[in-house]
Amino acid sequence: NAGVTQTPKFQVLKTGQSMTLQCAQDMNHNSMYWYRQDPGMGLRLIYYSASEGTTDKGEVPNGYNVSRLNKREFSLRLESAAPSQTSVYFCASNRDRGQDTQYFGPGTRLTVL
Amino acid sequence: SQQGEEDPQALSIQEGENATMNCSYKTSINNLQWYRQNSGRGLVHLILIRSNEREKHSGRLRVTLDTSKKSSSLLITASRAADTASYFCATDAAGANSKLTFGKGITLSVRP
Repeated sequence: NAGVTQTPKFQVLKTGQSMTLQCAQDMNHNSMYWYRQDPGMGLRLIYYSASEGTTDKGEVPNGYNVSRLNKREFSLRLESAAPSQTSVYFCASNRDRGQDTQYFGPGTRLTVL
Repeated sequence: SQQGEEDPQALSIQEGENATMNCSYKTSINNLQWYRQNSGRGLVHLILIRSNEREKHSGRLRVTLDTSKKSSSLLITASRAADTASYFCATDAAGANSKLTFGKGITLSVRP
């Protein structure tokens, strides 16, 4: 039981490049989330998926897209990376939105030059 | 915008002492949660307290919730060096669009 896994762990991009961050959970959770964490800002919600087949914007969705590929996987895509997207990205999941605790992955540290 | 605001921003104590961290929030909530983050790692859930609960314990952790003051406190008793981490409160706002909103965190340093 691996919990929530994220790939890659580290990534360096040049401005304008694209990439997809992958997230998978093996806990049969319905809801999944993408956050970014910046120094002094805490965690901010980018997008979430309350259930398979649905996605919704969070607090800071601009510049990102997501795909809920199936119940296990939720990916985050940066189409044209910008230096302002340099951050640590965390994926999380829980049984149902608003019902219980969230389980977090180890994070992806992204630097955009 | 952050719903939960933690206080203090940083706390340094000696091993064996108690650590108290506070969180205030603005709107009605379903529950309030505390998470810990060790350096370079993901967040780990510590404890959840529902809006109809006033106090909850888990091992050396004690959480209180005062919905009239919109505030919560996390007490870690008999602290250990391994408790050194950042601590975040997260509020699950009441309503159809409930989702967790995290504060900026408290950095706790426990000196051996």
